[in-house]
Amino acid sequence: KAGVTQTPRYLIKTRGQQVTLSCSPISGHRSVSWYQQTPGQGLQFLFEYFSETQRNKGNFPGRFSGRQFSNSRSEMNVSTLELGDSALYLCASSVGAGQGGGEQYFGPGTRLTVT
Amino acid sequence: AQSVTQPDIHITVSEGASLELRCNYSYGATPYLFWYVQSPGQGLQLLLKYFSGDTLVQGIKGFEAEFKRSQSSFNLRKPSVHWSDAAEYFCAVGAGVTGGGNKLTFGTGTQLKVEL
Repeated sequence: KAGVTQTPRYLIKTRGQQVTLSCSPISGHRSVSWYQQTPGQGLQFLFEYFSETQRNKGNFPGRFSGRQFSNSRSEMNVSTLELGDSALYLCASSVGAGQGGGEQYFGPGTRLTVT
Repeated sequence: AQSVTQPDIHITVSEGASLELRCNYSYGATPYLFWYVQSPGQGLQLLLKYFSGDTLVQGIKGFEAEFKRSQSSFNLRKPSVHWSDAAEYFCAVGAGVTGGGNKLTFGTGTQLKVEL
């Protein structure tokens, strides 16, 4: 089975712009979670989607949003980019709703640089 | 709120030596615990997990971890380290049987360096 894929792998944007990142989960997986990884804050949970519904949300401003499509693919959007949004954005997929963290498989991430 | 502490930011071991990476968690109920490894420029790879049952769990690449409820710890061990084990290791806690979806809370990571 193919693993979790994320596109693009690298992205450079300017402050004030918006960006959309994409994640394709492992075939058959219905849950997708997003994490932000920075040297200062480490790995932080952004949100989780299951069956096109947001199930859980981390402590991030409303500029960060996401959605999930009927084929389980997910996108996250960051509007009005700030320098501090520069990070590695990781997507993880899991088979189902899980209870407290079913096995999650991570993609390689999208490296976003905001200048 | 759940939290994870990895007290060692950096650890250096010689190839062939044993390894133990520490992890302490804070959670009100029985947690789901994980160890992940991240190589430079890569995503996270799951090494092992603890959900319930036997407190000593085996994972991939020869790693094991022991859940100790009394110490709120979930330390990762390997009897003999290989140079290819050099990477960053993350301990994570899930929401346990109380639900909360698939959200994971991660520790700050331990960077492992292996000396040849």
